[in-house]
Amino acid sequence: NAGVMQNPRHLVRRRGQEARLRCSPMKGHSHVYWYRQLPEEGLKFMVYLQKENIIDESGMPKERFSAEFPKEGPSILRIQQVVRGDSAAYFCASSANMDSYEQYFGPGTRLTVT
Amino acid sequence: AQTVTQSQPEMSVQEAETVTLSCTYDTSESDYYLFWYKQPPSRQMILVIRQEAYKQQNATENRFSVNFQKAAKSFSLKISDSQLGDAAMYFCAYRSARDAGKSTFGDGTTLTVKP
Repeated sequence: NAGVMQNPRHLVRRRGQEARLRCSPMKGHSHVYWYRQLPEEGLKFMVYLQKENIIDESGMPKERFSAEFPKEGPSILRIQQVVRGDSAAYFCASSANMDSYEQYFGPGTRLTVT
Repeated sequence: AQTVTQSQPEMSVQEAETVTLSCTYDTSESDYYLFWYKQPPSRQMILVIRQEAYKQQNATENRFSVNFQKAAKSFSLKISDSQLGDAAMYFCAYRSARDAGKSTFGDGTTLTVKP
């Protein structure tokens, strides 16, 4: 039973490029959450999605960041025109439904902007 | 807004001894969940233990137990018989039962285990 999968595990982008991070939730899970972890800090919530719907994007920066979770395929976190401050670990978590108290985390994607 | 505070950036413990990591939180809600996660150098987030706020009994998972003080909004983690493999960053997290979605994390405590 595969857990939450994220790819790539490591991503290097130059300033101004686009970064696309992918997350495949656990089998049977239709709720996905994205978190960002800056160095020496805890995880900070970014966005909560269900299939084809954004439920809560209160943690998303207003510009350059977007997320989607299509009917088919993985959830995508997209960062346009990356800057050095975007360098961080990005974690995806999934749950079976809104009432599930537990979120299962993926291994994270470490984004480095040079 | 909910906040989670871990006041100990670093802790150390001798192998086989006991250590307690502190966590306090702030919320106006009465129904919520609390978690402790372990993050080893691999950076994978591993759930250590969880506590439902409506349960008075403290959760226990093998060598890991919590001291949940709802009135004081305190949720400490006790690790007994510490092992070298327990060395990691530990995060306390809060999740509302009403607004089931995002979790709020503390900034973490780095635990070192000395042989």
